[in-house]
Amino acid sequence: DAKTTQPPSMDCAEGRAANLPCNHSTISGNEYVYWYRQIHSQGPQYIIHGLKNNETNEMASLIITEDRKSSTLILPHATLRDTAVYYCIVRLDNAGNMLTFGGGTRLMVKP
Amino acid sequence: GAVVSQHPSWVICKSGTSVKIECRSLDFQATTMFWYRQFPKQSLMLMATSNEGSKATYEQGVEKDKFLINHASLTLSTLTVTSAHPEDSSFYICSARDGDASSGNTIYFGEGSWLTVV
Repeated sequence: DAKTTQPPSMDCAEGRAANLPCNHSTISGNEYVYWYRQIHSQGPQYIIHGLKNNETNEMASLIITEDRKSSTLILPHATLRDTAVYYCIVRLDNAGNMLTFGGGTRLMVKP
Repeated sequence: GAVVSQHPSWVICKSGTSVKIECRSLDFQATTMFWYRQFPKQSLMLMATSNEGSKATYEQGVEKDKFLINHASLTLSTLTVTSAHPEDSSFYICSARDGDASSGNTIYFGEGSWLTVV
């Protein structure tokens, strides 16, 4: 799986959009971009994933650049409960393929 | 999304004893489950991949005789920490792949189990 690079930490004001970047310059054509988050002392929570097109669900939006070398996770209206470590992972979408976690970005949402 | 449940959420055991942690997929069948370990302020480290009906595949450096994994059904995998020692104290997390076509092989995680060996 391709390696990802994320800033170690970010702050965001409550109610504002949180934009979390991820670089994956060595991503291959059939690897997906997945985002998970881990709130303190809990298991990781799936947020969203995509291949080429931008994706949106009830939790977030995923913007993938045209060359697929980077992506941004957008939480449109961050709340205090969004404080967590956010992991960007690229992965072959094959059965049995595991997730490899990097350091992630520690997002702190402040009142 | 799909639900993965772990039990127990936390356990304290004496050094030298064995502890079993269960991981269940509640609303889907999981042919593949993964076990992770996480130490404080560190990222998740994959321990092993568990396939239903066959032997688990362990990552380098993980002792298969110490961390016994059984995946006897499509909804249950267990991790047994044998002869536990204080250095085995950690947060153990399981995950399962929802192989339904509509979910695209997305992997979902359990709530995690805190193990403290005293």
